Amino acid sequence: DAGVIQSPRHEVTEMGQEVTLRCKPISGHNSLFWYRQTMMRGLELLIYFNNNVPIDDSGMPEDRFSAKMPNASFSTLKIQPSEPRDSAVYFCASIPQGGETQYFGPGTRLLVL
Amino acid sequence: GENVEQHPSTLSVQEGDSAVIKCTYSDSASNYFPWYKQELGKRPQLIIDIRSNVGEKKDQRIAVTLNKTAKHFSLHITETQPEDSAVYFCAASKYGGSQGNLIFGKGTKLSVKP
Repeated sequence: DAGVIQSPRHEVTEMGQEVTLRCKPISGHNSLFWYRQTMMRGLELLIYFNNNVPIDDSGMPEDRFSAKMPNASFSTLKIQPSEPRDSAVYFCASIPQGGETQYFGPGTRLLVL
Repeated sequence: GENVEQHPSTLSVQEGDSAVIKCTYSDSASNYFPWYKQELGKRPQLIIDIRSNVGEKKDQRIAVTLNKTAKHFSLHITETQPEDSAVYFCAASKYGGSQGNLIFGKGTKLSVKP
């Protein structure tokens, strides 16, 4: 199994631009999580889905952030418009049904200039 | 909501020594406590976890202890090796890991000097 796949791995953009991060969970996993990691705030849960349905989005920082999971094998996290303070590493993780171990993807390193 | 405090933020030990990282949590309903290891530039990976019905769990050189009364849990690494150098995160959840709500500590950067 290829594990959780994220793209792009690195993204550099200018303030005000739209950014879309993508995640493909491990096949058969039915829960998907989006995290943001920064030095100041550590690892923060932004949103998680169970069976493609958003369950808890209380960690989404503001309306500029949105996430979708149109099917079991794909999710997106969109930032529009992006700001320099959004610069961070964004991780996607997934869990198999009935499991507890979260398997993280390699992350997307985002830099907003 | 749940709050997880982790100490120390940095830890430096000599190869072969033991390392201990401590975490406290605030929500007495929390019942699942995983530990993740993150090497530089890589993803966090689970190394060990413990549930509230267990006081201690060991896996080779790694052990985790849980004190529910005091609401703290610790990671113990014995006979440390240079490849143990990484950032370690504790986390807590009251629903089990599959229900989201994993609240992470801020991390401990462990350096093992040869």
